[in-house]
Amino acid sequence: GDSVTQMEGPVTLSEEAFLTINCTYTATGYPSLFWYVQYPGEGLQLLLKATKADDKGSNKGFEATYRKETTSFHLEKGSVQVSDSAVYFCALNGANSKLTFGKGITLSVRP
Amino acid sequence: DGGITQSPKYLFRKEGQNVTLSCEQNLNHDAMYWYRQDPGQGLRLIYYSQIVNDFQKGDIAEGYSVSREKKESFPLTVTSAQKNPTAFYLCASKRAGGSKTSTDTQYFGPGTRLTVL
Repeated sequence: GDSVTQMEGPVTLSEEAFLTINCTYTATGYPSLFWYVQYPGEGLQLLLKATKADDKGSNKGFEATYRKETTSFHLEKGSVQVSDSAVYFCALNGANSKLTFGKGITLSVRP
Repeated sequence: DGGITQSPKYLFRKEGQNVTLSCEQNLNHDAMYWYRQDPGQGLRLIYYSQIVNDFQKGDIAEGYSVSREKKESFPLTVTSAQKNPTAFYLCASKRAGGSKTSTDTQYFGPGTRLTVL
């Protein structure tokens, strides 16, 4: 079945540091890929998405490229801010139209 | 404003009681979903509905029940049969039909935190 694997956390960075959060997936067909962000005590917000190979999703300085050859969708940001502190989930929408989530990773950014 | 509302934000239940969590959307979305979130874990699908008066079990449906009598509403009942109900519950919805880029994104409500005393 479909699965999503995220790197282990938590991650702690200083403000303005470079961020990479790894995400790899297993799925049949051509899934859509997503990054969601969850701030403390809140629901999930869509951060970015990509629907086909080589697509790049971007939003609020975050980027992720759909790499079919490596089955990856790594999240990057060039300069993180304290306000980026949150939990980040990688997810895919597979052939059965259901979302499969990774376990999430907590990012803390120090001033 | 269009969106998904969940109520209440916090809910306390005594052991052996049933409790119903509300989820309402005014996005005119066809499909609705319930997830459970536990600390350090991803989201797990409880139930989903792709059309009014129809719903399917997700990965962890035991001890839960749902109804879909209206397009806008998808309430979740946590029954006394659910052995470990303390968790954060999230409702989501999405459009159906149309292109892949416009219909495969789920949008989430703010969640309900259920605590069993």
